[in-house]
Amino acid sequence: QKEVEQDPGPLSVPEGAIVSLNCTYSNSAFQYFMWYRQYSRKGPELLMYTYSSGNKEDGRFTAQVDKSSKYISLFIRDSQPSDSATYLCAMSEEDDKIIFGKGTRLHILP
Amino acid sequence: GAVVSQHPSRVICKSGTSVKIECRSLDFQATTMFWYRQFPKQSLMLMATSNEGSKATYEQGVEKDKFLINHASLTLSTLTVTSAHPEDSSFYICSAPGPGLGYTFGSGTRLTVV
Repeated sequence: QKEVEQDPGPLSVPEGAIVSLNCTYSNSAFQYFMWYRQYSRKGPELLMYTYSSGNKEDGRFTAQVDKSSKYISLFIRDSQPSDSATYLCAMSEEDDKIIFGKGTRLHILP
Repeated sequence: GAVVSQHPSRVICKSGTSVKIECRSLDFQATTMFWYRQFPKQSLMLMATSNEGSKATYEQGVEKDKFLINHASLTLSTLTVTSAHPEDSSFYICSAPGPGLGYTFGSGTRLTVV
C-alpha cells in the first residue's frame, strides 16, 4: 500500500459548484498536511498547511484532516475556471521528508 | 508500485564543496524529471526540467552552471549543487510525470551547507 493515495482524476465540475478533493494515507505518524495547486509548467503552490487534525479555512478553500480515518480533504467553494489545475496533497511526520500524492487534475467547466 | 527514490534524504556539506542528489524512478520510466527547491512552509519553486538524453531546461534566475542536471537514462536524473554556499541550504525535491495521470514525487533532500 502506498503511503499516500490520491485519485488522479480528471475531475470535471461546473462553475460555481463545490469541489471536494481528498487523499488517504497509511502512516499514522504524519502530523503535517498540505495542499498544493499546480498549473502547467509551474511549481506547486502551497495553498493550505495544517498541523494535526481539524479544519482550516482560507477564503474559498477549506482543508479538513481526520487523523482517525487517515483522510484529508480540500473543499473549494464557488469554483471558478481559474481553479482548473492539478491539486496535490502532501504530508510529513516532521517538517521534512514530504510525501506527495499523485495529484488530482481538476477542470472547472464555464 | 511506482516510486521515485530520492537520495540522500539529508546531507550536510562544507561551503565550497559539491553535492549530488539522485532521483531514480522505480517500476516506471521517467523521460522527464522536474527539480524543485522549497523553503520552509512555502511553495515549491521549479528550478529546471530534465529530459532523458537532452539538455535540461532551466527556469529564469536559476544558474545552470551551479545546478548541474544530468538525465542520462530513463530511470535516473541527478542534480549536482556545485561550489555550495550557505544560501543554497534548502529542501530539494524531484518529481516525474506518471505513471499514467499525475506525478510521482521523490521524498526530498534536506541540504545544509556549513
